[in-house]
Amino acid sequence: GQNIDQPTEMTATEGAIVQINCTYQTSGFNGLFWYQQHAGEAPTFLSYNVLDGLEEKGRFSSFLSRSKGYSYLLLKELQMKDSASYLCAVLDSNYQLIWGAGTKLIIKP
Amino acid sequence: DAMVIQNPRYQVTQFGKPVTLSCSQTLNHNVMYWYQQKSSQAPKLLFHYYDKDFNNEADTPDNFQSRRPNTSFCFLDIRSPGLGDAAMYLCATSRDPGTGANVLTFGAGSRLTVL
Repeated sequence: GQNIDQPTEMTATEGAIVQINCTYQTSGFNGLFWYQQHAGEAPTFLSYNVLDGLEEKGRFSSFLSRSKGYSYLLLKELQMKDSASYLCAVLDSNYQLIWGAGTKLIIKP
Repeated sequence: DAMVIQNPRYQVTQFGKPVTLSCSQTLNHNVMYWYQQKSSQAPKLLFHYYDKDFNNEADTPDNFQSRRPNTSFCFLDIRSPGLGDAAMYLCATSRDPGTGANVLTFGAGSRLTVL
């Protein structure tokens, strides 16, 4: 079967750095997405990785290792507005999007 | 601004009373999707349309139907809602599912409550 694993919940302090991990086992791989979802709202696109390495976009960076079936989302200089769920999703060989259940990130002052 | 609009944002219905949720898009995207998302769970794909081609997920219950009368609009019909159908229903669009960087643009969602 296809599977995406992420921690259910994480807590971090305002101004700090947090790393949210995602591991996957899928039928093929055509890219990995990170989406942010605030409570009661729709997911919004954060990043897309298809090659190994780190992609940096302002305070957010996403890393991919295809050989390890592993990605992480790194959030720097945390702000209270970063409190949200972060969803990892993988595009499999049939271009079907396989979603993780999301990691709820709680930011404390 | 180009966007995806869902109506209604909140829908309360009684057990067994049909419900229709709507989605419109101004992005001119080829593909429209309907997802069901329950609290703290991954979004679950119900259907998607690639232009007029309808694609039903194998495990989508028959209770759920969809219509796409034109490029801009898509509807989700729940014929006889049960308590287990209470969820957030997300509409999303994308240009082309057959490419890697196929970013989904989501609407704000319709939250369904079944009494």
